[in-house]
Amino acid sequence: QKEVEQNSGPLSVPEGAIASLNCTYSDRGSQSFFWYRQYSGKSPELIMFIYSNGDKEDGRFTAQLNKASQYVSLLIRDSQPSDSATYLCASSGGGGNKLTFGTGTQLKVEL
Amino acid sequence: SQTIHQWPATLVQPVGSPLSLECTVEGTSNPNLYWYRQAAGRGLQLLFYSVGIGQISSEVPQNLSASRPQDRQFILSSKKLLLSDSGFYLCAWSEGAFFGQGTRLTVV
Repeated sequence: QKEVEQNSGPLSVPEGAIASLNCTYSDRGSQSFFWYRQYSGKSPELIMFIYSNGDKEDGRFTAQLNKASQYVSLLIRDSQPSDSATYLCASSGGGGNKLTFGTGTQLKVEL
Repeated sequence: SQTIHQWPATLVQPVGSPLSLECTVEGTSNPNLYWYRQAAGRGLQLLFYSVGIGQISSEVPQNLSASRPQDRQFILSSKKLLLSDSGFYLCAWSEGAFFGQGTRLTVV
């Protein structure tokens, strides 16, 4: 069974610090990886996706992918209180046009 | 630009009542459409997906069904709701990369 694992948290970081969110996946056939932000009571919002080994940067966000280790991470630089949310990791590929989601990591950015 | 509409935003239904949730997409044609459920404190569970009109793939056997009567319309239904059907229902398109606002269903 394909699985995506995340630490549920909460992960607490001070304002202005770098938040590091991690995700592992079990299906070596997974090809693309997605990070979402979900505020309480709201639907997930896509932050970015990555499909090549290495780093991909978009503003304050950097996604990192290591397919050999089956590991994906999201770095948030200069964390703000508005970044406090649950972050979902998802993988796709390996058969079928669908995503497999982790259960999410709750991030708290403290003043 | 593409937008996805989902309604209603909240719904309280008695056990045994029917259910119909509708999702429509604008600004694209022949999208892949998805229904997910998120139970309290849990991850997103894929319920159904569709790659075209009349085509439905079911991921989890359950008390729900889905239909795609038009290219950009996706409907989630139940004939008789159970307490365990409570949750946050999300419609999505493009491999599930973009979500509607969601429907919070409480079965009482």
